[in-house]
Amino acid sequence: QKEVEQNSGPLSVPEGAIASLNCTYSDRVSQSFFWYRQYSGKSPELIMSIYSNGDKEDGRFTAQLNKASQYVSLLIRDSQPSDSATYLCAVNSGSARQLTFGSGTQLTVLP
Amino acid sequence: DTGVSQDPRHKITKRGQNVTFRCDPISEHNRLYWYRQTLGQGPEFLTYFQNEAQLEKSRLLSDRFSAERPKGSFSTLEIQRTEQGDSAMYLCASSLLAVNTGELFFGEGSRLTVL
Repeated sequence: QKEVEQNSGPLSVPEGAIASLNCTYSDRVSQSFFWYRQYSGKSPELIMSIYSNGDKEDGRFTAQLNKASQYVSLLIRDSQPSDSATYLCAVNSGSARQLTFGSGTQLTVLP
Repeated sequence: DTGVSQDPRHKITKRGQNVTFRCDPISEHNRLYWYRQTLGQGPEFLTYFQNEAQLEKSRLLSDRFSAERPKGSFSTLEIQRTEQGDSAMYLCASSLLAVNTGELFFGEGSRLTVL
């Protein structure tokens, strides 16, 4: 079983819609959760971090965390074609210094 | 340039040859990481430095891989006797000691192709 799993893509949404990206993790002691965006041929870029249960909003992005269900999600409101990228969920356990990444969900926003 | 830089950006080599990649992190960053990414997968952790000390190394990392950060600034990753399975993007990332270990700045990567 993979430690961090993301909903299989690719995911396509029309411009202006809400894109919902999901991620589950297996290690119950995980404490920190991150969403990275990776454009094709580019390196990952941190867009959101969340450390406690609930929602965290930053502009058009909302990260949601439910530690009891071991679930973290990313909502992108008013999706734009420039949001088309692969979104990587990453998890960090308290004692570990490295991140464990999911395999990513490829999002395409159609004009 | 204030970002993480990696060199070379692309390397094509024949099986059995040695290759070395260099990473220059953001200047004030104490932490330096190496990750490997293959097509359709997320980055996979290889090793971690805090200043010049190599504090973690992936159990999956073969003895053919070695990394150094001799003065706590730039780092090198060497792969000896390359195999076709080593073909991947090698990503370097850095961060400040004071922030959460997940808040990384990645370089653009060094793409390795082993023929």
